[in-house]
Amino acid sequence: DSGVTQTPKHLITATGQRVTLRCSPRSGDLSVYWYQQSLDQGLQFLIQYYNGEERAKGNILERFSAQQFPDLHSELNLSSLELGDSALYFCASSVDGSVYNEQFFGPGTRLTVL
Amino acid sequence: GQQLNQSPQSMFIQEGEDVSMNCTSSSIFNTWLWYKQDPGEGPVLLIALYKAGELTSNGRLTAQFGITRKDSFLNISASIPSDVGIYFCAGRRNTDKLIFGTGTRLQVFP
Repeated sequence: DSGVTQTPKHLITATGQRVTLRCSPRSGDLSVYWYQQSLDQGLQFLIQYYNGEERAKGNILERFSAQQFPDLHSELNLSSLELGDSALYFCASSVDGSVYNEQFFGPGTRLTVL
Repeated sequence: GQQLNQSPQSMFIQEGEDVSMNCTSSSIFNTWLWYKQDPGEGPVLLIALYKAGELTSNGRLTAQFGITRKDSFLNISASIPSDVGIYFCAGRRNTDKLIFGTGTRLQVFP
């Protein structure tokens, strides 16, 4: 158990819908990262927040957005869902994102878009 | 998105055998990490490497940071059934962003 929690574990929805994925980082970690893992693919970095502010952006679609709240939990919002958005979405956290403070991953949310 | 090249893509070995896999990049990284992912779970950090040439062990696992800083290697000695899973390398340059490899799927037969 990494200490990072994600909810829900599974999510099934229809095209065009909007969903929200939730992540709680490890106690004491200020940085949260979101990744997408499609079938047979590696992990693609989406976005990072540090202490409530966006710190880095990766391959995140405009239909996707995220935020980190004062209690440091984070939410990833996916809208106008398409079939290709079906994937595993992982959240990771680290103390502050600096060298020697590595990322620890949550169990993921499996999103299925029908 | 950018990914690192990992090889082999998959391995089927017998319990007790040693395993070697590697990760290569066309550009330099300052940190190399190795993660293992079990089915339905998130990646778990195995080994972190921070200096070119560094050799680090974690039990039966040994990883090396290539001296060119463009590659890394992971070896597993005396494999056991619970080693089954997907192994990912990840590299980092000067920012927090990790770039992941394409993964090596390991299957161990008794």
